[in-house]
Amino acid sequence: DAGVTQSPTHLIKTRGQHVTLRCSPISGHKSVSWYQQVLGQGPQFIFQYYEKEERGRGNFPDRFSARQFPNYSSELNVNALLLGDSALYLCASSLADTGVPLHFGNGTRLTVT
Amino acid sequence: AQSVTQLGSHVSVSEGALVLLRCNYSSSVPPYLFWYVQYPNQGLQLLLKYTTGATLVKGINGFEAEFKKSETSFHLTKPSAHMSDAAEYFCAVSGTGRRALTFGSGTRLQVQP
Repeated sequence: DAGVTQSPTHLIKTRGQHVTLRCSPISGHKSVSWYQQVLGQGPQFIFQYYEKEERGRGNFPDRFSARQFPNYSSELNVNALLLGDSALYLCASSLADTGVPLHFGNGTRLTVT
Repeated sequence: AQSVTQLGSHVSVSEGALVLLRCNYSSSVPPYLFWYVQYPNQGLQLLLKYTTGATLVKGINGFEAEFKKSETSFHLTKPSAHMSDAAEYFCAVSGTGRRALTFGSGTRLQVQP
C-alpha cells in the first residue's frame, strides 16, 4: 500500500507570494495533520483535520490555512510568504481522530527567497 | 501543555556499542510517548510508542524505550549500534486531546566504524 504522499517535493518561492502544498493520506486514513520542521529543529504542529473538519490548530499566524477534501486528501496554504517560512512541511495521516500514531510523508521542502 | 527535552543534540557511538538517547517530558495529563527516526531528506518513521500498560516498549530495528513516570523520562536504547542507525531521532509527547505531537529538538546519532 502507498504511504502518505506529498507534492511537490521541493519548491522555491519569493517573499510575499502564496504557496499550496498537497497531501494524500494512506488509504483508509481519515485524519490528516500538518507539521513545519525548520532546519535543525523538531517538527511543530500546524493543523489537524478529521472528516473535513479542523480539529486542532497550532500556534501559527492566520497566513496559514488548510482544508481537507471528501477523499481525505488535504491542502496547506500559506499566504504572504516570509523568509522564516522556509522549512520542510510534513503531512501525516492516521486512522482515528485522536490517539495517534501518525504516519508521515517525506515532506515538501519550501525555500523562500 | 506539554514539552520534550532531548539531552544531547549529537551523540556518537562506535559500531556495536550501546546506544542511549535521552528524553525527558512534561505533560499535564498521562502522556503518550513516541520515538521517531528521520533519515536525510525523508519524513519521520515511527520507532516505538508508549500509551498505557507495560512500561518497557520494544520497537523496530532492535530499539526499546522505558517509560519512567517518577523520572518523567522515556530514554531510547539499543544494545548494539549498526552503521544504518545513523540518523536524527526525535522524541515526542501527545498530551491533552491526543491530537497533536510535541517534538523535542532531536538528537543526531553518528555511528563510527
